[in-house]
Amino acid sequence: AQSVTQPDIHITVSEGASLELRCNYSYGATPYLFWYVQSPGQGLQLLLKYFSGDTLVQGIKGFEAEFKRSQSSFNLRKPSVHWSDAAEYFCAVALMNRDDKIIFGKGTRLHILP
Amino acid sequence: ETGVTQSPTHLIKTRGQQVTLRCSSQSGHNTVSWYQQALGQGPQFIFQYYREEENGRGNFPPRFSGLQFPNYSSELNVNALELDDSALYLCASSNRGGLETQYFGPGTRLLVL
Repeated sequence: AQSVTQPDIHITVSEGASLELRCNYSYGATPYLFWYVQSPGQGLQLLLKYFSGDTLVQGIKGFEAEFKRSQSSFNLRKPSVHWSDAAEYFCAVALMNRDDKIIFGKGTRLHILP
Repeated sequence: ETGVTQSPTHLIKTRGQQVTLRCSSQSGHNTVSWYQQALGQGPQFIFQYYREEENGRGNFPPRFSGLQFPNYSSELNVNALELDDSALYLCASSNRGGLETQYFGPGTRLLVL
C-alpha cells in the first residue's frame, strides 16, 4: 500500500536558520509529490509540487524541495526561516489515476525560536 | 475568482445524530474531494465527486455519504455520529485532468459529544 512517512513529529529551529523537513514515500512508481502547509485553525495551502522534470522544485514563500528517486524522498528546504513559518507541514503523494486521491503524511510541526 | 468555501465553520453534535457539511468549489472546478483530519493526524481521503458522481472512496463506512450538485458544490453527510468522527473536515476542489492541483477550503470543525 502507498504510504508517506514524515519521521519528525516536531522540529524547532531558530529564526534565520536553515530548515529541512524530511519525507519518504512508498510506492511502486514515481507518484506526484506535494508539500502543504497548515497554520493553526486553517485549511491546507500548497507550497510546491513535483510531477516530472527537474528534480529540484521551487515553491512559494522561499521553499524548495528535491525529489530523489533512489531514496524515495522529497525533502522540503528553506535557507532562512521566518517566525511566520511556524506551522504544520504535510508531505503528500497523489496517484492521479481514477480518483486522484492525495495520501498525506502525519505532518511535522515546525516551531521557530526568536 | 472565488476560493473554496465551507460551512459551517464549527459544529457540535451528539452521538447518534446526523450532520451535513457543505462545500462550494472554486470557480471553474468540476471535482470535489473530502478529507477527514483527526487531531494530530494528516488528512485522510473520504471520497471524491466528479460531475455529480462518486469517483473514488477511501476506507470510510457507508454512513459517510455525499452529493455533488450541478453547480459542482458538494455536501458530506455523516449518519449515526460516533465520538471518533470528531475532526476537521476539509474539502478540496480541482478539475479532473490528472495534473490539476487540489485547492483546499478552511474546513469544518466537528465535535461529537
